[in-house]
Amino acid sequence: DTAVSQTPKYLVTQMGNDKSIKCEQNLGHDTMYWYKQDSKKFLKIMFSYNNKELIINETVPNRFSPKSPDKAHLNLHINSLELGDSAVYFCASSQVRALGGEAFFGQGTRLTVV
Amino acid sequence: RKEVEQDPGPFNVPEGATVAFNCTYSNSASQSFFWYRQDCRKEPKLLMSVYSSGNEDGRFTAQLNRASQYISLLIRDSKLSDSATYLCVVRDRGSTLGRLYFGRGTQLTVWP
Repeated sequence: DTAVSQTPKYLVTQMGNDKSIKCEQNLGHDTMYWYKQDSKKFLKIMFSYNNKELIINETVPNRFSPKSPDKAHLNLHINSLELGDSAVYFCASSQVRALGGEAFFGQGTRLTVV
Repeated sequence: RKEVEQDPGPFNVPEGATVAFNCTYSNSASQSFFWYRQDCRKEPKLLMSVYSSGNEDGRFTAQLNRASQYISLLIRDSKLSDSATYLCVVRDRGSTLGRLYFGRGTQLTVWP
């Protein structure tokens, strides 16, 4: 069973479209994240939810809107896609209050905006 | 000032070599420390946690120096399969419920 799964794995779309990426974790973790990894490979946090509550909201255009229907799911919706949104988006989860609290990542969604 | 700084490399070493990566972090209140490994076009995966007393997992040894805010990873007897990017990760303590900070990664290539 995949611990953190996100779909789709690949997403190619035109500028101006709206798209969603879904993420689910079956680890029972209390915190979920969205990270963006650009062409320079730097992992930059976008959002973090703890028990469905938004706790980290980095300087991200408001075209990006996360939604957490329950603590096992964190989806990312992107409106009016731009060329600069092309990147790999990783979902992750962790149990923050546990000793250590390492994060587990999904396989990534490679978004290409044309 | 970056929260976590790493030497980006690349490090190119022959099989069997010993290689060491270093990382510094800026927040003295940081709580937990990790090394992750990321293969090309894959997700980051936990390699090992780093404990205050230092810890070893097979050919991998991690050290933490809280006074100097410095973390290291030593790989002995490098294998071709060790080729990857190694990410230093630090968990904060505080109001952001343990935010994770990632370094930019150190790229390692092991050649035959």
